[in-house]
Amino acid sequence: EPEVTQTPSHQVTQMGQEVILRCVPISNHLYFYWYRQILGQKVEFLVSFYNNEISEKSEIFDDQFSVERPDGSNFTLKIRSTKLEDSAMYFCASKGSAGDTQYFGPGTRLTVL
Amino acid sequence: QVKQNSPSLSVQEGRISILNCDYTNSMFDYFLWYKKYPAEGPTFLISISSIKDKNEDGRFTVFLNKSAKHLSLHIVPSQPGDSAVYFCAASAFRDDKIIFGKGTRLHILP
Repeated sequence: EPEVTQTPSHQVTQMGQEVILRCVPISNHLYFYWYRQILGQKVEFLVSFYNNEISEKSEIFDDQFSVERPDGSNFTLKIRSTKLEDSAMYFCASKGSAGDTQYFGPGTRLTVL
Repeated sequence: QVKQNSPSLSVQEGRISILNCDYTNSMFDYFLWYKKYPAEGPTFLISISSIKDKNEDGRFTVFLNKSAKHLSLHIVPSQPGDSAVYFCAASAFRDDKIIFGKGTRLHILP
């Protein structure tokens, strides 16, 4: 069964450093998303991406964040200068069509020291 | 906007598990339940459109009461593998993002 994959599973970084979280969505899916879950809190929407551009972004997704689909398979989330409060599980999701369900990856645990 | 007021629930194996969810946004028209095991991402379980009041898939049934802005997930019979965190989620027409509740941890007791 096709699935969304994410790398790395755990990333530890120093405050102020840049991190790139990688996702491989399900093949032939066209809509891509990033969500995050801070420990003990809700899963929160960050950004949606379709047709090579951002469709929607939340208030969390400020200028420190960016997304990219550098090739036909990867979808990345970059945090330019990490802060302590960026520590969270980051989930990538994808779906095939507008009315489809979003399918989530296993997540990347980001720890900012 | 999506509330799951029970952080945890324990149910005997073989009995019915009922997980509840309330929402406040009248614009929500699509509701989902996701299941999550530790160290994994949310896994889609079942969904319901606002034009329906019930959707069934095997052991899982979701009920929607629009007037009360309430939905519930019934699992019957409950099995040990159902022990996980269950997230209620919702989205609005033309709005792509999913809004999640905090989750309910379900323990199925032997």
